[in-house]
Amino acid sequence: DQQVKQNSPSLSVQEGRISILNCDYTNSMFDYFLWYKKYPAEGPTFLISISSIKDKNEDGRFTVFLNKSAKHLSLHIVPSQPGDSAVYFCAASALAGNQFYFGTGTSLTVIP
Amino acid sequence: EPEVTQTPSHQVTQMGQEVILRCVPISNHLYFYWYRQILGQKVEFLVSFYNNEISEKSEIFDDQFSVERPDGSNFTLKIRSTKLEDSAMYFCASVQGSNNSPLHFGNGTRLTVT
Repeated sequence: DQQVKQNSPSLSVQEGRISILNCDYTNSMFDYFLWYKKYPAEGPTFLISISSIKDKNEDGRFTVFLNKSAKHLSLHIVPSQPGDSAVYFCAASALAGNQFYFGTGTSLTVIP
Repeated sequence: EPEVTQTPSHQVTQMGQEVILRCVPISNHLYFYWYRQILGQKVEFLVSFYNNEISEKSEIFDDQFSVERPDGSNFTLKIRSTKLEDSAMYFCASVQGSNNSPLHFGNGTRLTVT
């Protein structure tokens, strides 16, 4: 049962443009959502998160948007840089200490 | 910045052998996790651990798997009799435990079962 879904396995974007990564979830009990970035041979690195009481959270070039009615979240990276090339995972959890559910990841390539 | 550390970075073992993967979570974190990622697949939850006991586990975490916190700093995953399909990256993670705190991952142990 895939409770968190990332339907785009890959995305290519020109340097300087916006990257938009999408994520959908099915469990309405999820109240905390996160994005992770992963380079090969490394563990996922926490990037940005949002709680269900908000619809937007911004940190520098990264903004996460949450649409609870659509059970959809997205990560915007502006402007995209070649160093942003990595696999991005969205994740969600329902209660403190419970497991975090991960999507299958989107591989972002930023073309110089 | 404090980080989760995992050893070894790569473990090669023969089918049927026991392996122990080691992790040192961030010191003030209360919840500990093991996840794994088979090559090219999603990050899969194995088990979570709180207050010296398993709080949640997945179907993957069968009788061949066990976890332990033998002292105040280490958190281990043991696979009793490895199978070829156990080959994967195993990630340890920890979270502070308060609401809306992110999971922090180690760099993983690549387990290769031959």
